[in-house]
Amino acid sequence: EAGVTQSPTHLIKTRGQQVTLRCSPISGHTSVYWYQQALGLGLQFLLWYDEGEERNRGNFPPRFSGRQFPNYSSELNVNALELEDSALYLCASSLDDRSNYEQYFGPGTRLTVT
Amino acid sequence: DAKTTQPNSMESNEEEPVHLPCNHSTISGTDYIHWYRQLPSQGPEYVIHGLTSNVNNRMASLAIAEDRKSSTLILHRATLRDAAVYYCILRPRTGNQFYFGTGTSLTVIP
Repeated sequence: EAGVTQSPTHLIKTRGQQVTLRCSPISGHTSVYWYQQALGLGLQFLLWYDEGEERNRGNFPPRFSGRQFPNYSSELNVNALELEDSALYLCASSLDDRSNYEQYFGPGTRLTVT
Repeated sequence: DAKTTQPNSMESNEEEPVHLPCNHSTISGTDYIHWYRQLPSQGPEYVIHGLTSNVNNRMASLAIAEDRKSSTLILHRATLRDAAVYYCILRPRTGNQFYFGTGTSLTVIP
């Protein structure tokens, strides 16, 4: 069974640009989560989607947004990139939105903003 | 968000048992206790979770205090592949996202 996949693996952007990161959940999983792991800040919750709807978002500005498609894949968009957006962006999926289900994480997308 | 407190780092000798503690004194009655670990250059991976009773799986055991204000992740025989950052997370009944703390960096000494 294929795990959570993310693309691209790495990318480099310039401050002020926009970026789109993609995530494909494990087959059968309806919930997708996005996390940011910046150096020195640990893992920070960004967004949670389930059944195509945004269920919750973390303490991030509105320039961080996303969506979930009918096939449950998801995109994370970041507008007006800032240097501090440089981080590993992790996507995770779970069977649904029940709190006792584990989340499966992808390998992440390493974003560098120069 | 309910908070967890873990030691920043721990060391263990290879093939010895490891007990990783976690304090969560503000836990609510419906919070699940989850443990994840993150190996170098990888995304976090699920280890174990529980609500009230002790839990065992092929990777580890989870011992939960009777008052649920603390828990301990037990690796029965540490291997070099267990070197990772271990996160203890409280997962609320509603609001499915995880709030990761700083975790415990486990070093396994050959």
